[in-house]
Amino acid sequence: GAVVSQHPSWVICKSGTSVKIECRSLDFQATTMFWYRQFPKQSLMLMATSNEGSKATYEQGVEKDKFLINHASLTLSTLTVTSAHPEDSSFYICSARDLERLSSYEQYFGPGTRLTVT
Amino acid sequence: QQQVKQSPQSLIVQKGGISIINCAYENTAFDYFPWYQQFPGKGPALLIAIRPDVSEKKEGRFTISFNKSAKQFSLHIMDSQPGDSATYFCAASRGGNNRKLIWGLGTSLAVNP
Repeated sequence: GAVVSQHPSWVICKSGTSVKIECRSLDFQATTMFWYRQFPKQSLMLMATSNEGSKATYEQGVEKDKFLINHASLTLSTLTVTSAHPEDSSFYICSARDLERLSSYEQYFGPGTRLTVT
Repeated sequence: QQQVKQSPQSLIVQKGGISIINCAYENTAFDYFPWYQQFPGKGPALLIAIRPDVSEKKEGRFTISFNKSAKQFSLHIMDSQPGDSATYFCAASRGGNNRKLIWGLGTSLAVNP
C-alpha cells in the first residue's frame, strides 16, 4: 500500500517551453502533497507544499510563477515548470501524506522525474 | 542555518560490519525523526522512524538510537551488505506546517563485498 507514482519518469524539453509533471497517490487519498527538487549528490530541497483545493505554499526563494502547482484532487497534484531553462534541469520528487494516517506523520515518496532542459 | 546536521558525508564499510550515521538537530519542537534510503535515480524510501518518547527502535538490521538531551539520533545498520550501498538521509519534523520534513545533507554509504 501507500504507493505514489510520477509521470513522466524522465523528460527532455527545449529551453523556453513548459513541462508538466504529475504526482498521483494510487491507493490512498493525499491531504497534503510536497514537491522537492534534488541536484546530483545533494539533499532534497522542498519547493512547495500543497493541500487539495488550496493554493500551494512555496518555500522561500522558489518562484511561484515559474513552478506552478495544482492539487486538484485528493489523488493528483501537478507541477508545471514554465519557460524552462537549463538551470531548471533537476530531479523532481513528490511525496504525499495519507489522509487516513495523519497520525503516522509519514510521507510517501514518488519515484522522481528527471527533467533535462536543452 | 542547517537545522539537521548529518555526518559523515560518506562512509565505507566492509560486508558484515556495522554502519553508523549520526544526526543532530537544533529545534526542540521536532517530534518525528525518520531515516530514508535513496538509490541513484530513485525517490527516497522510509527505512525507520522514531519519536522522542523512546530511546531506541529496531527493525530488522536497522536501529535508531535517540538521545533527547543531546538532541542527537543515529542510524545503525548491522551486518551491512553490498545491497545497502545507497545514500541515507535523516530528517525531522514538528507539528504544524503540514509536518514538512527538514533534511540532513545525506550520507553516501558504500559496503565493500
